[in-house]
Amino acid sequence: DTAVSQTPKYLVTQMGNDKSIKCEQNLGHDTMYWYKQDSKKFLKIMFSYNNKELIINETVPNRFSPKSPDKAHLNLHINSLELGDSAVYFCASSQGASGHHGYTFGSGTRLTVV
Amino acid sequence: DAKTTQPPSMDCAEGRAANLPCNHSTISGNEYVYWYRQIHSQGPQYIIHGLKNNETNEMASLIITEDRKSSTLILPHATLRDTAVYYCIVRVAGNTGKLIFGQGTTLQVKP
Repeated sequence: DTAVSQTPKYLVTQMGNDKSIKCEQNLGHDTMYWYKQDSKKFLKIMFSYNNKELIINETVPNRFSPKSPDKAHLNLHINSLELGDSAVYFCASSQGASGHHGYTFGSGTRLTVV
Repeated sequence: DAKTTQPPSMDCAEGRAANLPCNHSTISGNEYVYWYRQIHSQGPQYIIHGLKNNETNEMASLIITEDRKSSTLILPHATLRDTAVYYCIVRVAGNTGKLIFGQGTTLQVKP
């Protein structure tokens, strides 16, 4: 069983469309995250939820809206997609908001906006 | 969180130990050193973390100098599957979990 699973793995879409990426973890963790890895391979945090409560919200355009229906799920919805949104998006989870004992990352969703 | 400095790339022969250095000269007393790696096209993977004592687990060993200004991640018997980007991250354990990734060290294990 995959610990942190993301769907879809690949997503190709046109500018202006709205899309969602789903993430689920079966580790029983209480904190989940979204990271973005751009073309230069830099990994940056976008959002974090602890027990369904938003605790980290980096400087991200408000076209990006995370939603956590429960502790095991954190979805990312993106409105009005732009070319610059093309990247690999990673979901992660940890036990505790500090992530002290390590994150577990999903395998990523490669988003290509054309 | 303190900044870290890592060499951009390193090579290692398969079966030999890979020693990956990290400088963190501005580390403060309550900051831990964490190591993650990212194998091509996969999500980052947690390896190990430590505060001041040396640590070992099934994946690697972490050696932290006595002044804590630098550390070394040791993969005792590198395999081709250890080829990856290795990230050294310094942060306060109690802070809200935000990992700040630098450029890391690209380790190439060669046959």
